[in-house]
Amino acid sequence: KQEVTQIPAALSVPEGENLVLNCSFTDSAIYNLQWFRQDPGKGLTSLLLIQSSQREQTSGRLNASLDKSSGRSTLYIAASQPGDSATYLCAVRNSGGYQKVTFGIGTKLQVIP
Amino acid sequence: DGGITQSPKYLFRKEGQNVTLSCEQNLNHDAMYWYRQDPGQGLRLIYYSQIVNDFQKGDIAEGYSVSREKKESFPLTVTSAQKNPTAFYLCASSYTGDEQYFGPGTRLTVT
Repeated sequence: KQEVTQIPAALSVPEGENLVLNCSFTDSAIYNLQWFRQDPGKGLTSLLLIQSSQREQTSGRLNASLDKSSGRSTLYIAASQPGDSATYLCAVRNSGGYQKVTFGIGTKLQVIP
Repeated sequence: DGGITQSPKYLFRKEGQNVTLSCEQNLNHDAMYWYRQDPGQGLRLIYYSQIVNDFQKGDIAEGYSVSREKKESFPLTVTSAQKNPTAFYLCASSYTGDEQYFGPGTRLTVT
């Protein structure tokens, strides 16, 4: 059974700092991994999707890496801004069969002006 | 504008009543999903559908029912058999195996 863990559970940083969010998963037989952002009381917004054959994806100030063999992904946010404050979730889609998606609980990020 | 809509945003019901949550997408996605989100827990899958007229139970399907009569629509009914229905419900869609897109959610409160 796939398990997804995100560390830390919460993070508070001053504006302008670069930061790294971590996601680990127990079963390396994955199809892809997706990072999401969730604002309070809202739905999830897709940030980046990494296919199992890829090592990283970039979008603007965001960079996500994937090390399938060690069961880890990181989301790097450069030059953080107060608008980045949100909860960031990692989701892993298993390969084979239905391709079930397993979500982590998320990291709650606060960027202080 | 392409996207996923969920209605209503907030829903209040008395215990013992069935309630139906709406989910519509115009992204031409084949697959649709219903998740439940509770504080301190990851999203949990209730039901999913990969094609019209077919759907499968997820991890916590007891007390819920769905239909998929049209590609664009995947309504979720929360029945009186669901023991703890108060939660935030999220609908998502994707091309099969691809990136998931989420709706804005429905917050259901049952008293």
